[in-house]
Amino acid sequence: DVVMTQSPLSLPVTLGQPASISCSSTQSLVYSDGSTHLSWFQQRPGQSPRRLIYKVSNRDSGVPDRFSGSGSGTDFTLKISRVEAEDVGVYYCMQGIHWPHTFGQGTKVEI
Amino acid sequence: EVQVVESGGGLVQPGGSLRLSCAASGFTFSSYWMSWVRQAPGKGLEWVAHINQDGSEIYYVDSVKGRFTISRDNAKTSLYLQMNSLRAEDTAVYYCIRDGGAAWGQGTLVTVSS
Repeated sequence: DVVMTQSPLSLPVTLGQPASISCSSTQSLVYSDGSTHLSWFQQRPGQSPRRLIYKVSNRDSGVPDRFSGSGSGTDFTLKISRVEAEDVGVYYCMQGIHWPHTFGQGTKVEI
Repeated sequence: EVQVVESGGGLVQPGGSLRLSCAASGFTFSSYWMSWVRQAPGKGLEWVAHINQDGSEIYYVDSVKGRFTISRDNAKTSLYLQMNSLRAEDTAVYYCIRDGGAAWGQGTLVTVSS
């Protein structure tokens, strides 16, 4: 299975400051059509996960533009330009090209 | 509004069976592949099973192969997960998701315990 490795696993943040989470995969996530199937999810305390980013850098509807995704091949990054209180939770990267689809371990973001 | 609502969870003894259902609305169900993802208490996310639009392509994570069966009824816009020979390690919240995680339900808790 493709292993997704996130770092850090715990991220203390300061309101208004930027934050960044890294994710790497053990295999390329590039599909035959050139697209890269890497997504980011946010899980707030007590809630279901919510997708923020798909195909590396595309924000889902309703996702604030302070969230951005970047990367290629096997190395990816989620950035929050200015952390807000509602951003507290666990963030997961996920590869959606190799079966079984796999998630990273999760990064806990706390103020 | 896109919505998926899971049901069918509960407490079951080891070796028992349970059938989860997911009712979808707000989108053309037959146009999307659907999946089940689970989350053990206090743990991360695990993709369990995936089914394509017409049910002709199905994948399972190794740990549930031969025990779980994913299916769908496009006429009823519903997704199912038949779970047999349940084990303690299957205890988790099970989420129905659409299209690579674009939409998630609230989840249904399955507890396998004697």
